This record gives sequence, structure tokens and C-alpha cells, in this order.
Amino acid sequence: EIVMTQSPATLSVSPGERATLSCRATQTVSSNLAWYQQKPGQAPRLLIYGASSRATGIPARFSGSGSGTQFTLIISSLQSEDFAVYYCQQYDNWPRTFGQGTKVEIK
Amino acid sequence: EVVLLESGGGLVQPGGSLRLSCIGSGFTFRDHAMSWVRQAPGKGLERVSDISASGGSTFYADSVKGRFTISRDNSNNTVDLQMNSLRVEDTAVYYCAKNRYNSLEWFDPWGQGTLVTVSS
Repeated sequence: EIVMTQSPATLSVSPGERATLSCRATQTVSSNLAWYQQKPGQAPRLLIYGASSRATGIPARFSGSGSGTQFTLIISSLQSEDFAVYYCQQYDNWPRTFGQGTKVEIK
Repeated sequence: EVVLLESGGGLVQPGGSLRLSCIGSGFTFRDHAMSWVRQAPGKGLERVSDISASGGSTFYADSVKGRFTISRDNSNNTVDLQMNSLRVEDTAVYYCAKNRYNSLEWFDPWGQGTLVTVSS
């Protein structure tokens, strides 16, 4: 099973600043990686698939990059509604696995 | 608009059973594989089970294999998760999620979730 490791566990950022989240896989997953956002009490929402393609309705301030084992999610200018937990998920190999999440909190 | 609505959660004793159901609307249900993903309180996400678009193929996490059974009814746009021999560690919010056609890739969208609590 591929283990996904996200860093940091918690990221403190001021509104308007840039946030950089990392996700690493224990073996290559090519570009078969998705990112989700989860707010308290809500279901996860798909942000990015294929490592860099934004899902429908996702603002351009969210961007994904990477391939192989190293991936990055960048939120270019944090808005109040972006403070949440973010998960990466690989779908290159069965079973599909998630990272443990990065919490983006207000600094 | 694609909507997934789960039901069936609740409090059950260890060793007991529960059946979750999810009804989908706003898309051609029979064309999509469906999945259940759970989240223990304060924890991360764990994919529990998948079922192919036709229902002919099913997949389970090792942690639930032999205890949980996934099924679907394409005439009623529902996917169920029968959970037997429940353990305390099965306590979680269970989400129903749609896959991109019959491929097991990303999950989009997710239902609002239903809480299963296993406790004596």
C-alpha cells in the first residue's frame, strides 16, 4: 500500500498570504493525485485531480503541481473561506490512499 | 446538480449490525462506480469499499473485509453498505462518494455523511 505523507501538519498563514502544502508518496503515483478541502462539519470537496487540474468551480488561486512522489498545493492568496484541512489522495495504485491532512489556520 | 444523500447511521453495540444507504441524483447512476469513505472522529480519511458501475465487482479495505458488504440497485439509484460484526474502531462518519465513470480515481462529489457510533 502506498503511504501518503503531508507536511506540515499545521500551517499558520495570514489572510492574503500564500500557503504551500506538500504531499509525498512512498512510491511513484505518476500524476494520479487529487487534493480535497474539508471544512469543519462538512464533507471533503474535490479541488484538484491529475495533480494539476482544477475541479469545476474551484478558484484559480488554488494550483497543484508535481509528479512521481512529490506534490504541492499552493493557495496563492488565502481568503477567509480557505481556512480548512486539506488532504491529498493517490489513485495510481490499489488501494487508494489519503494523506493525514494539513490544517491551514489563521495566523 | 449531483447530490448524494446517506442514511442509516446510528448507535450500535459492538458485534452488532447496521445498514447504510446512499441515494444519488443529478447524474446517470448506473454509469458510475460508487464508494464509501469513512472518517473517525478527529482523524483522517479512509476508503472503505468500492463497487463497479454494474455492481459486478466489489472491493474492500482490509480493515472491513469479511464484515462489510457493498451492494447497489441501479434501478433505484442506491448504494448500500451492510456492516456486520461492528467494532469500536468502526466508529466514524461514513461518506458516500461518486467516482469518475467506472474508474476508481478521485471522489467527486461526496455526500454529507452519516455517523456510525459503535459503543456499549
